[in-house]
Amino acid sequence: GAVVSQHPSRVICKSGTSVKIECRSLDFQATTMFWYRQFPKKSLMLMATSNEGSKATYEQGVEKDKFLINHASLTLSTLTVTSAHPEDSSFYICSARDVTAGGPHEQFFGPGTRLTVL
Amino acid sequence: QQQVKQSPQSLIVQKGGISIINCAYENTAFDYFPWYQQFPGKGPALLIAIRPDVSEKKEGRFTISFNKSAKQFSLHIMDSQPGDSATYFCAASTGGGNKLTFGTGTQLKVEL
Repeated sequence: GAVVSQHPSRVICKSGTSVKIECRSLDFQATTMFWYRQFPKKSLMLMATSNEGSKATYEQGVEKDKFLINHASLTLSTLTVTSAHPEDSSFYICSARDVTAGGPHEQFFGPGTRLTVL
Repeated sequence: QQQVKQSPQSLIVQKGGISIINCAYENTAFDYFPWYQQFPGKGPALLIAIRPDVSEKKEGRFTISFNKSAKQFSLHIMDSQPGDSATYFCAASTGGGNKLTFGTGTQLKVEL
């Protein structure tokens, strides 16, 4: 149980285009999902917390107009990188909290999405 | 206040040896301390987690030692295997399922 999927696993796009990344909780309902960014050989940096049915909470320094997050259902959150530039190239990882398993702290991570902006 | 400091940055251990990774924190409001294992190109996977009301937790070859007064916790991997070669992250969070604060990561290599 507690499986989180991401789609796509890899995406290459041209500078200036927008890219949407999906994060799904496959076998549980996730009232809260988190979006992280990870640079090579670096730690995970939290970008935003996504709550179902409400606006996402962004971390300091993360542009909300550039990284659009939508959490329209209990099993799906999306991250859209708008007007992508090469510096947005990174590994994006989502996680979901399953409040029914392991207590309120448990987060299950997706496999990540490698974004390359040319 | 929110930082979690992790050491060492990298670690090489012989097969069958013990791998030890340490973390320290400042925020006394943290009450959940998980360890994650990450392979290249994959998302992190939860290994083991501890709450501050216990000093040690063991699951198979993985043990967390927790020192509340020193605000430190560590991961011990017994009988380390080449398949354990990965990056390990400690993390901490406060009550109510708040966001995780991650350590900087330790790249472990287990040699034959």
